[in-house]
Amino acid sequence: ILNVEQSPQSLHVQEGDSTNFTCSFPSSNFYALHWYRWETAKSPEALFVMTLNGDEKKKGRISATLNTKEGYSYLYIKGSQPEDSATYLCAFLNNRKLIWGLGTSLAVNP
Amino acid sequence: ETGVTQSPTHLIKTRGQQVTLRCSSQSGHNTVSWYQQALGQGPQFIFQYYREEENGRGNFPPRFSGLQFPNYSSELNVNALELDDSALYLCASSGSTTNSYNSPLHFGNGTRLTVT
Repeated sequence: ILNVEQSPQSLHVQEGDSTNFTCSFPSSNFYALHWYRWETAKSPEALFVMTLNGDEKKKGRISATLNTKEGYSYLYIKGSQPEDSATYLCAFLNNRKLIWGLGTSLAVNP
Repeated sequence: ETGVTQSPTHLIKTRGQQVTLRCSSQSGHNTVSWYQQALGQGPQFIFQYYREEENGRGNFPPRFSGLQFPNYSSELNVNALELDDSALYLCASSGSTTNSYNSPLHFGNGTRLTVT
């Protein structure tokens, strides 16, 4: 059974704090790793699709790194804002289907 | 650019009934996938359609079936509903001329199905 694990499960930070969380996935047969942000009452929004070991992607204050050899990806948020409050999901592409983690729920207090 | 839309937004059905959920893909997208998210769980892949043919399926029984139409809109059908089918059903489309599976997904807002 292939598992994608995300940690921590939830996180509370103050506005302005920088934070990061982890997505762990099987290191064999890697094709791609997706990151999504899911705000309450909205649909999931794609952040990054990462395919290459050592890849680093950035979108505004959010960035992600990828280590396919050891099977993990980090998502970083610099200077968190209340609008960053959401659940952050990662998904591992395996055999034509995405296997999802349970997400990290981030709450940013003003 | 029209986003992914799903209908209905909420639905209540009785055990044993059948249900059809609908999804209109984002303009220009030819791949659609369906996910089930039960309370407290991550999304579970149901199946994916590319140019009207199923080309990937998760661990769901045959009573979960789907269709993709020439305009790339899609339906998810569930027969013989069970209480455990109560969940949020998400549709996502992606655009790919090569069916590479590396394209980001564009999600609809989901259909909340309650089976009583």
